[in-house]
Amino acid sequence: EPEVTQTPSHQVTQMGQEVILRCVPISNHLYFYWYRQILGQKVEFLVSFYNNEISEKSEIFDDQFSVERPDGSNFTLKIRSTKLEDSAMYFCASRDRENEKLFFGSGTQLSVL
Amino acid sequence: AQSVAQPEDQVNVAEGNPLTVKCTYSVSGNPYLFWYVQYPNRGLQFLLKYITGDNLVKGSYGFEAEFNKSQTSFHLKKPSALVSDSALYFCAVRDMVNYGQNFVFGPGTRLSVLP
Repeated sequence: EPEVTQTPSHQVTQMGQEVILRCVPISNHLYFYWYRQILGQKVEFLVSFYNNEISEKSEIFDDQFSVERPDGSNFTLKIRSTKLEDSAMYFCASRDRENEKLFFGSGTQLSVL
Repeated sequence: AQSVAQPEDQVNVAEGNPLTVKCTYSVSGNPYLFWYVQYPNRGLQFLLKYITGDNLVKGSYGFEAEFNKSQTSFHLKKPSALVSDSALYFCAVRDMVNYGQNFVFGPGTRLSVLP
């Protein structure tokens, strides 16, 4: 089965630093998402992306967050100035137009010190 | 706003017994409903979905779920649990009329199947 790939698997950063989390969605998918999960608990929606623009974003997705699809394959999440509370597992997901099934990557564990 | 509730943080069941993981939802439009499973240190994996049609939907690994519109529920079931079913289960909803592309997930229920 096709996979969503996320890199790195772990990222440790100092508070205030910028981080970029990278995702390669499944190649024929059109809708892209970032979710995060804190301490293995609730899965929180951050942002959805379609047709090269943000289609929806949550309250969590403030001005410190941005997403990009710089080429035909990568989908990145940037946090400009990380805070301690940004520490979480960040999941990328994608789906195609017809199928409501989300495919998730294995996640990037972000630790902000 | 759309929301999902999973009233049980933890469900314990003996291997071979039937299992039920509960989910209720709230949307203003028509719901698309989903179950996902998460194994340790992994992303979420799709189990099954209800879009339209038969209220009983079957999915991966012998799981099924029943859509009940009057009770706004979508409980996950399996007739005979396996130890390997032990994982974190998430119910999710998408409101097709009012909320676009966003999938909202419940808080998760940890299923432990005891040998």
